[in-house]
Amino acid sequence: NAGVMQNPRHLVRRRGQEARLRCSPMKGHSHVYWYRQLPEEGLKFMVYLQKENIIDESGMPKERFSAEFPKEGPSILRIQQVVRGDSAAYFCASSSTGERNGYTFGSGTRLTVV
Amino acid sequence: GQQVMQIPQYQHVQEGEDFTTYCNSSTTLSNIQWYKQRPGGHPVFLIQLVKSGEVKKQKRLTFQFGEAKKNSSLHITATQTTDVGTYFCAGYGGSQGNLIFGKGTKLSVKP
Repeated sequence: NAGVMQNPRHLVRRRGQEARLRCSPMKGHSHVYWYRQLPEEGLKFMVYLQKENIIDESGMPKERFSAEFPKEGPSILRIQQVVRGDSAAYFCASSSTGERNGYTFGSGTRLTVV
Repeated sequence: GQQVMQIPQYQHVQEGEDFTTYCNSSTTLSNIQWYKQRPGGHPVFLIQLVKSGEVKKQKRLTFQFGEAKKNSSLHITATQTTDVGTYFCAGYGGSQGNLIFGKGTKLSVKP
C-alpha cells in the first residue's frame, strides 16, 4: 500500500519559469488537499480537489497558480512565472471520502526559485 | 476567518524534562488534530480529539481538548531526543471545512 506520492522531491526553477508539482493520492482516495509551508512557518491551505472538480480554492493565489485532479493520473499543482517568494515546501494530503479524520501527507516537494 | 494559534513558538528542553504546547482557536472546533513534523520531513498525524474535555494518551504524550472545545494541549513527559520536531495542532474551518493549521511549536531536546 503506497502512501501519498509526491514528485519531484526537490525542484529548482529560475524566475519566470513554470513549476509543476505532482501528487498521487493513496489508493482508493479521491480527495486531495494541497498545502504550502514557508520556512519556519505552519502549513497554509491552498486548494481542495476531488476527481475532475475543484471543491475549494480559497487559499490559492489568484494569479499564476492553478490545480487540477484529472480522472486519470495524479493531481497537479502548477505555478507559472515563478518568483522567489514561491520558494517553499508544497505538501499534498489525501482522504477517501473527505471525512474529518487525520490526513496522510506526502513527503512534499521543495521548490527553490533562483 | 478562523484562526488557530499555538504557543510557544519554540521550546528548548533538557532531555528528561517535560514539554507542553498549547493551541487556541478563535471559534469552537468540531474536533482538533495534532501532527508532528520532524526536521526536513512531512507532517505525520498523531491523534484526533472530538469530545469536550477529552483526554487521550499515547505513551509519554497526553492530549487534552478543552471543555469549550476552543483550546487543546499536548504534554510530553520526560522528553527524549526522538521527540525533536515541530508539533502542529489543526482544526476544521473555512467554507468547505478545510483543515486549518497553527504555526506549530518547534521542540529541541538537548541530550
